[in-house]
Amino acid sequence: KAGVTQTPRYLIKTRGQQVTLSCSPISGHRSVSWYQQTPGQGLQFLFEYFSETQRNKGNFPGRFSGRQFSNSRSEMNVSTLELGDSALYLCASSFTTGNSPLHFGNGTRLTVT
Amino acid sequence: SQELEQSPQSLIVQEGKNLTINCTSSKTLYGLYWYKQKYGEGLIFLMMLQKGGEEKSHEKITAKLDEKKQQSSLHITASQPSHAGIYLCGADGMSQTSGSRLTFGEGTQLTVNP
Repeated sequence: KAGVTQTPRYLIKTRGQQVTLSCSPISGHRSVSWYQQTPGQGLQFLFEYFSETQRNKGNFPGRFSGRQFSNSRSEMNVSTLELGDSALYLCASSFTTGNSPLHFGNGTRLTVT
Repeated sequence: SQELEQSPQSLIVQEGKNLTINCTSSKTLYGLYWYKQKYGEGLIFLMMLQKGGEEKSHEKITAKLDEKKQQSSLHITASQPSHAGIYLCGADGMSQTSGSRLTFGEGTQLTVNP
């Protein structure tokens, strides 16, 4: 079974721009979660989607948004990029929304200059 | 305050030595997950523990959840350089603010010297 696929792997953007990251979950997984990882803050939860509905959202500004499609693929968007948005963005999928492990992709490394 | 405390923050051991990493919570853990991460890459799922006193092993790695379900340990026997990386514990339903699927500890950086 193919794992979680995130594209692109690396991205360099300028302050003020917007960016869209993509995630394809493991086949059969309907839940997709997004995390931001930085050296100072560790892994911070962004949001979780299940069957195209956002179930939970972390404490991030409205510039961070996401969506999930009918095939469970997910995208996250960050508008008006700030230097502090530079991070590794990780997507994870799971079969259900609880009591099942998250399986992570290799992430998208976003650098904002 | 951190909801999941991991200790130690970093660990340097000689190849062949045993080691233990701890994950402690002030709340009952209903699902505890251990992951390993190589720098700049995704997290690799190792083990999931749910029942008090549960113990699971995979190759040379053993994870335990205590009877009170507030502490978990990860033990590596006869460490190898391939064990090097960041080990993170994650728990279900910990966050009262974001409803995060999993809340993670800050991680333990393991270095294994040949």
